[in-house]
Amino acid sequence: EDQVTQSPEALRLQEGESSSLNCSYTVSGLRGLFWYRQDPGKGPEFLFTLYSAGEEKEKERLKATLTKKESFLHITAPKPEDSATYLCAVRVSGGSNYKLTFGKGTLLTVNP
Amino acid sequence: DAGVIQSPRHEVTEMGQEVTLRCKPISGHNSLFWYRQTMMRGLELLIYFNNNVPIDDSGMPEDRFSAKMPNASFSTLKIQPSEPRDSAVYFCASSLLGSLGGYTFGSGTRLTVV
Repeated sequence: EDQVTQSPEALRLQEGESSSLNCSYTVSGLRGLFWYRQDPGKGPEFLFTLYSAGEEKEKERLKATLTKKESFLHITAPKPEDSATYLCAVRVSGGSNYKLTFGKGTLLTVNP
Repeated sequence: DAGVIQSPRHEVTEMGQEVTLRCKPISGHNSLFWYRQTMMRGLELLIYFNNNVPIDDSGMPEDRFSAKMPNASFSTLKIQPSEPRDSAVYFCASSLLGSLGGYTFGSGTRLTVV
């Protein structure tokens, strides 16, 4: 069974304090790893897709990386507006399989 | 583009009542997904459609749940009869089949069954 595990469950940072969130996965054949941001009371918002080990994507203060077993979301010099729950998800290969399996997320709080 | 539109935003109902959640996907998207989110279990896929046809409903918890997509611009998720353990936030998302990008989610329906 495909599994996605995110750590830590919650993370508190001071503004400007860089850190990383982890997403480890066990799947039969990875066809994409996705990062989303979710603000309270809203639906998840798409950030990045990574397809192969070694790939990196960047957006403002966020950088996502991928290995064969895990992905990291690096947050450089975070600001309070980066506070949100960050979700990762995987899509696996096979037939018409087009669904995403999500981890439970990391709740990030950035204090001013 | 108005995005994925879900209604209602909040629903409070009594145990045993029928509940219908509605979703309008982004125009041109041909894949539609229904997810349920709880603190304990996170985001769980209930069912998804490609070109209005249900592809995988293995996540539907039991026969009390049913979903339809009568056309490309509308889908419903129905719970009958509802139970307190159905209380959760239900999200609809849409995507373009074959796209390598992510889904676009709606704002969700918060369901409370008392």
